[in-house]
Order: sequence, then structure tokens, then C-alpha cells
Amino acid sequence: GAVVSQHPSRVICKSGTSVKIECRSLDFQATTMFWYRQFPKQSLMLMATSNEGSKATYEQGVEKDKFLINHASLTLSTLTVTSAHPEDSSFYICSATAGDLSEQFFGPGTRLTVL
Amino acid sequence: AQTVTQSQPEMSVQEAETVTLSCTYDTSESDYYLFWYKQPPSRQMILVIRQEAYKQQNATENRFSVNFQKAAKSFSLKISDSQLGDAAMYFCAYSDGTYKYIFGTGTRLKVLA
Repeated sequence: GAVVSQHPSRVICKSGTSVKIECRSLDFQATTMFWYRQFPKQSLMLMATSNEGSKATYEQGVEKDKFLINHASLTLSTLTVTSAHPEDSSFYICSATAGDLSEQFFGPGTRLTVL
Repeated sequence: AQTVTQSQPEMSVQEAETVTLSCTYDTSESDYYLFWYKQPPSRQMILVIRQEAYKQQNATENRFSVNFQKAAKSFSLKISDSQLGDAAMYFCAYSDGTYKYIFGTGTRLKVLA
């Protein structure tokens, strides 16, 4: 149980385009989902927290107009990187909780490469 | 602000031997959670072990155990009988139960055959 999927697993796009990454909880309802960013050989940095049906809460320094988060249902959250630039290239990981906020279940991650 | 520190960027262990990964943290909270996550080359984060701060007993999961020293704010991970499949990045994480996980910088574990 407690499986989280991400799609796509890998995406390459041109600079200036937008990219959407999906995060799904497959066997539970996720009251809260989280988006992390991980640079090579570095730790995970929380970008934002999303609750179903409400606006996402962004961490300090994260541009909310650039990283659009939508949590439309209890099993799906999307992260859209708008007007992507090469510096947005990174590994993006989502996680979800099923009510017990003390434990998060992680997706397999999405590698974004912006050319 | 809460912080998590992993002072060992890389560790090596011989197969079948025991290794201990260090983690210290700083918080003013009395109730919180600590985790060790494994990130293999696939990049999938895998929960290794979890410790609730109110529990004095150290958590164990098969070959994995922790030494939780609340007063010292230390949370080390011991891996016994190390296996080749244990090779990965290991992240220590803190959560105060609200929602935010704070991760350490990670320790890369190499297992030598």
C-alpha cells in the first residue's frame, strides 16, 4: 500500500516552454501532497505543500508564478514549470500523506532537462 | 529553526560488516519524528526506519536500528550485516508532525565486496 506515482519519469523540453508533472496516490487518498526539488548530489528541498481544493503554500524563495501547483483531487497533484529555463533542470519529487502528516510517501521522481 | 546535520558525506563498509551513519538535529520542540530514508540510484526514496521522539525505545527494522539520544539530539543509523544492496544515499529527516520534512545533506554509503 501507500504507492505514489509520478509522470513523466523523464522530460526534456526547450527553453521557454511549460512542462507539467503529475503526482498520483494510487491506493490512498492524499490529503496533502508535497513537491521537492533535488539538485545533483544534494538533498531534497521542499518547494511547496498542496492540500486538495486549496491554494498551495510555497516555501520562501520559490516563485509561485513559475511553479504552478494544482491539487484538484485527493489522488492527483500537478506541478507546472512555466517558461522553463536551463536553471530549472533538476529532479522533482512529490510525496503524499494520508492524514498522518508525520509520514510521507514518495514518488519515484521526474528528471527535467531544459535545453 | 530546525536543522538536520549529517557530517559524513561518504562512508564505506565491508560486506557483512556493521556501519553507523551519524545524524544530529536541532529543535526546540519536544514532540517530533525522525526518519532515515534510503535513496538508491533509481532515486526512489525508501523509508528505512522511523522514530517518534516520545518513545524512549530505539526503533529497529531487521538489520537496521537507531541510537536515539534525545538530550543530545542525535539519531544515528546502524546497519548490521551490510549487503551490496544497501549501497545508496541515506538521508536523515526531521518532522515536527505539522507537515514539513527537513532533510540532512545525505551520506553516500558504499558497500565493498
